[in-house]
Amino acid sequence: KAGVTQTPRYLIKTRGQQVTLSCSPISGHRSVSWYQQTPGQGLQFLFEYFSETQRNKGNFPGRFSGRQFSNSRSEMNVSTLELGDSALYLCASSFSLEGSGGREQYFGPGTRLTVT
Amino acid sequence: GESVGLHLPTLSVQEGDNSIINCAYSNSASDYFIWYKQESGKGPQFIIDIRSNMDKRQGQRVTVLLNKTVKHLSLQIAATQPGDSAVYFCAEKGADNYGQNFVFGPGTRLSVLP
Repeated sequence: KAGVTQTPRYLIKTRGQQVTLSCSPISGHRSVSWYQQTPGQGLQFLFEYFSETQRNKGNFPGRFSGRQFSNSRSEMNVSTLELGDSALYLCASSFSLEGSGGREQYFGPGTRLTVT
Repeated sequence: GESVGLHLPTLSVQEGDNSIINCAYSNSASDYFIWYKQESGKGPQFIIDIRSNMDKRQGQRVTVLLNKTVKHLSLQIAATQPGDSAVYFCAEKGADNYGQNFVFGPGTRLSVLP
């Protein structure tokens, strides 16, 4: 079974621009979560999508948004990029069920975003 | 590869020895925990999980111990190998909501000495 895939792997953007990152979950997984990883803050939860609906949200500004499509693929968007948005953005998928607690979660390789 | 953390706690062990990586979690309501391994340039890799109704769970060469009284989690790796060198994260999930919003620990860098 193919793992979680993320595109692009590397991206360089300028302050003020916007960016869209894509994630394809493991086949059959309906939950997709996004995390930001930086040396200073570690791994931080951004949001989770399940069946095309945002199910959970972390403490990030509204410039960070996402969506999920009917095939469970997900995108996240960051508008008005700031230097501090430079990070590794990780997507994780799981075979979560509606109304269920935590389940095994598998990560993709990440997208390295550099904002200059 | 990506810099996971510039000042992570580091554990150095001799090849063949056992490793114990510790994690203090924050939420007494957390009921599900995962250990991840992250190698340079890669995303975190699932190692083993445990639910709060268990104290111990074993996998291949790894054992996770959970002490809910002191909110402590540990990962034991038997016969540590060079390929085990990586950063290890614990992740916790609260019982107070549905979904997959995990809180991650800061990570521990494991260095295996030849």
